[in-house]
Amino acid sequence: EIVLTQSPGTLSLSPGERATLSCRASQSVTSNYLAWYQQRPGQAPRLLIYGASFRATGIPDRFSGSGSGTDFTLTISRLEPEDFAVFYCQQYTSFPLTFGGGTKVEIK
Amino acid sequence: EESLVESGGGSVQPGGSLRLSCAASGFTFNKYAMAWVRQAPGEEGLEWISTISSGGSTIFYADSVKGRFTISRDNGENSMDLQMSSLRDEDTAKYYCVRHRSSWRTAFEYWGQGIQVTVSS
Repeated sequence: EIVLTQSPGTLSLSPGERATLSCRASQSVTSNYLAWYQQRPGQAPRLLIYGASFRATGIPDRFSGSGSGTDFTLTISRLEPEDFAVFYCQQYTSFPLTFGGGTKVEIK
Repeated sequence: EESLVESGGGSVQPGGSLRLSCAASGFTFNKYAMAWVRQAPGEEGLEWISTISSGGSTIFYADSVKGRFTISRDNGENSMDLQMSSLRDEDTAKYYCVRHRSSWRTAFEYWGQGIQVTVSS
């Protein structure tokens, strides 16, 4: 099973600042089969990034993904008020499909 | 517009059974793998529990539910089910019906709003 470790657990930032979230895998995520999701309180998760770096339909370009192998990053270039939420990474290279524990981006 | 609507949740005693259903619309259902993902109370982490291929011939389960849960789909009715038996306290969660981007080896593109399952005596 591929274990995904996200850091930091909580990120306290102000609107307009840059957010950098990390996701580290216990073994290589082949073909960069790594996705990022955003979950706002009381809502279902929403796909942001797939294939480590491809934005999903309708996702603003302030969201970007990068990385390969075991280290991946989600960057939000300038935080908007609606961006404050919990973010999860997920690998789909092998079963069981697994999620990271999440990073909460909160307003400072 | 794509839509996934879950039904069938509720409260059940440990050892009991429950059947969840997911009604899909707004896309060609038989072209996509589907899945169930759950989230423990308090919006704790996400846990994938099962995926079924577009045609229904390939199925995967998480170890935590293998032998107790059964996923199925009806492409004629654009629906997917999750039959849950031998339920445990730790199965208490919100259950999401999810569509993969295409095959089973792709990200989760669309999510339903989720349905609550509570296992308690």
